[in-house]
Amino acid sequence: GQNIDQPTEMTATEGAIVQINCTYQTSGFNGLFWYQQHAGEAPTFLSYNVLDGLEEKGRFSSFLSRSKGYSYLLLKELQMKDSASYLCATLRDDKLIFGTGTRLQVFP
Amino acid sequence: GAVVSQHPSWVICKSGTSVKIECRSLDFQATTMFWYRQFPKQSLMLMATSNEGSKATYEQGVEKDKFLINHASLTLSTLTVTSAHPEDSSFYICSASPGKLNYGYTFGSGTRLTVV
Repeated sequence: GQNIDQPTEMTATEGAIVQINCTYQTSGFNGLFWYQQHAGEAPTFLSYNVLDGLEEKGRFSSFLSRSKGYSYLLLKELQMKDSASYLCATLRDDKLIFGTGTRLQVFP
Repeated sequence: GAVVSQHPSWVICKSGTSVKIECRSLDFQATTMFWYRQFPKQSLMLMATSNEGSKATYEQGVEKDKFLINHASLTLSTLTVTSAHPEDSSFYICSASPGKLNYGYTFGSGTRLTVV
């Protein structure tokens, strides 16, 4: 496989901050995406990183370190509706390859 | 924004029959589309890359004779699950890129296939 690893499950409290990590093989890397997916629905695009550093977009931020093969998605001011799966994906040869996905449960 | 339409949303078929799933890019042209399969509580697994006007390329372990892909126009790709069996029951979802990577790849709404 592509060895894109994420924690399987995470839990957090409403209003808190959570960081979801993703590690991947660096060979052939052309960019990293984060998607949110609610059960039974299509994934929705959250962020795209191709250069090192932090990209901030509202309550969500994504970080990339190409040399370390590492990314994280940071969710601030968690809301109940943020309970979903978060999928890390790398772009290789124009194909989007997904990691194992992290199921996040937000509790009140 | 870029929209990908997928039909049907769900389908139930008898074992041994074939099912066709359509994926359309509504407001952009897609020379390439991608087909994924997702089992419950698992991530998306890339099955194949659909190429307009040429043969699809399949990922390792995916049977090309079982999962027929046709990409006859710049806005339509179809996936036909032939001789379906209960183990083919899954969530099938297509995607395409409207061109600008910072907008991500757009996904269809998915098709829930149940083979009985």
